[in-house]
Formats: sequence, structure tokens, C-alpha cells
Amino acid sequence: EAAVTQSPRNKVAVTGGKVTLSCNQTNNHNNMYWYRQDTGHGLRLIHYSYGAGSTEKGDIPDGYKASRPSQENFSLILELATPSQTSVYFCASGEASQNTLYFGAGTRLSVL
Amino acid sequence: GDSVTQTEGLVTLTEGLPVMLNCTYQTIYSNPFLFWYVQHLNESPRLLLKSFTDNKRTEHQGFHATLHKSSSSFHLQKSSAQLSDSALYYCALRPQGGRALIFGTGTTVSVSP
Repeated sequence: EAAVTQSPRNKVAVTGGKVTLSCNQTNNHNNMYWYRQDTGHGLRLIHYSYGAGSTEKGDIPDGYKASRPSQENFSLILELATPSQTSVYFCASGEASQNTLYFGAGTRLSVL
Repeated sequence: GDSVTQTEGLVTLTEGLPVMLNCTYQTIYSNPFLFWYVQHLNESPRLLLKSFTDNKRTEHQGFHATLHKSSSSFHLQKSSAQLSDSALYYCALRPQGGRALIFGTGTTVSVSP
């Protein structure tokens, strides 16, 4: 079974603060993704990566940055957190040839 | 652009009755991949089934779906719902050549005794 680990699992941040969400995968997958989940919106793609050193903008990238320093790690960075970024964030990894995404357990972020 | 539409936000039904969740999609590509993911309470989404073959039924864990390119649909069905089927179901699209899945807004299924 594929393994994707997210940290922290829960985070409370203050408006204007910096938040970093981390994701580690041990599947040696090239592709990694960050989604946010909100009721009524489903899963929306923020950023993704094809491999170490690459990041691509997804459908809702504004207010977020991403970093892929290695095959295993993919971070999501909120430089200036806002209450509208309160959500559940999921990291996922996968290979295009397999067409399956493996999700982490999620991070619940509250920005006050 | 590419998109996925799930028309039902919430489906409530009694155990033993059939389930059908609607999914339609839009893409300019002729060979998309379609997926159903399921997310149980306090868990992460996991793949339920997938298809890229037109008019071929795909089945898994009692659920089935058929990709119909003529109507751009990939509806999920099950003949008899169980209490354990209560979950959030996402339809997703991978456009040909694209690498990121596009998810619909999800359908919550609530099965009662």
C-alpha cells in the first residue's frame, strides 16, 4: 500500500502568519499534488509537481506557494495566511501511467 | 475548460435499495480517464473504480460504472445499498495528456436501516 504522510494533522494559525504544510511519500512517485477540500466545492487543485525541483500551478494557486526539494517531499506554503484559507488540505502522489492517486490523511487548518 | 459535474449534493436512501450517482464531464480530449473516489468519515479519499474504455462496464466492490463518451457520462451504480456505503463520493476526470485529476463537487450518500 502506498504511503503518503502529512504533517501537521491539525494547525491553528493567525491571520497574516506563515504556514507550512508538509508531505512525504515513500512510493517513489514522480507526481505529487496539493488539494483543498471544502463543502460545496469538493477537492480543488492548488499546486502539483512532476518531480524534484518542479512545481506547477493548479486551479486555485493564489495565496499559496509550493516547494518540491526532493522526490519524497512536497510542501505547501501560505506566506500570509487568511481566514479564507481555513480548510482541509490533502496531499497526494501518483504515477500518470497508473492513473491512481494515493492521498495522505489530510491537514485541518484553521486561520483565525 | 475541463470540468466534472455531480448534480446531487446529498442522496439519502434505505438499506437494500439501489444507488445511482450522476457524473458528467466536459473535455476537449477524446480519450479521457474517468474515476470514482470514495471518502468515508474521517478518512482520506481512495480509488473506487476507473475507466477509459467507451461503453465497457467496470466493477469493484459491488459498484459499477460505464463510460459513455457519446453522453460524456460516468454514472456510479450499485444494486443494493449497505450501511457501510455511507460516504462522500467524488467523480474525477483526467483529460488525455493532463496529469492532474479534476474532481467534481462530490455526492454524500447516507444509507439508513
